Amino acid sequence: DAGITQSPRHKVTETGTPVTLRCHQTENHRYMYWYRQDPGHGLRLIHYSYGVKDTDKGEVSDGYSVSRSKTEDFLLTLESATSSQTSVYFCAISSRDPGYEQYFGPGTRLTVT
Amino acid sequence: EDKVVQSPLSLVVHEGDTVTLNCSYEVTNFRSLLWYKQEKKAPTFLFMLTSSGIEKKSGRLSSILDKKELFSILNITATQTGDSAVYLCAVGYYGGSQGNLIFGKGTKLSVKP
Repeated sequence: DAGITQSPRHKVTETGTPVTLRCHQTENHRYMYWYRQDPGHGLRLIHYSYGVKDTDKGEVSDGYSVSRSKTEDFLLTLESATSSQTSVYFCAISSRDPGYEQYFGPGTRLTVT
Repeated sequence: EDKVVQSPLSLVVHEGDTVTLNCSYEVTNFRSLLWYKQEKKAPTFLFMLTSSGIEKKSGRLSSILDKKELFSILNITATQTGDSAVYLCAVGYYGGSQGNLIFGKGTKLSVKP
């Protein structure tokens, strides 16, 4: 899967707790993305990064923050998890400018109870 | 509002059949159209099309883009049970601060033996 790992792969947490998901790549790609996938909505962009310490918001960024201190790692944080954030989260990477092919990690299934 | 619409939403065929999946779009500042296959895990990249009328082919899968009529088709010939999956269409765009991909909701293909 293009040298992308995500951790954890599954997580159950309680409403109001902070959660951090990690995406790690070994491809040295410049661009990294966080998506969530929900039935009826498809894949939606949460945040993306175009370099170390350079990030921007996507379509559904409310309630999420990100950080990228190294090329290989992109962290997604839910400051105070809510049940509406129960979803499958995918990280994607690309060496090309936005608008071209991206390669996806294996995903993290997050359940907020 | 930019949008990507896939049809049909689901499809059931028998092994050996040929299927055509459709993707239409209305996206400003078009950059590319991509097809992904998703089998209960991460989306896997299939094709990227940027020019009209040029067919991309990989084994039994092929795809073509019509930038005038704003649609693409994905053909699968001699289907096999291993082709069962959700096929995602995404359109890449550029410009502003969020050049990226917009995903359709997918077509679920079931291939019966």
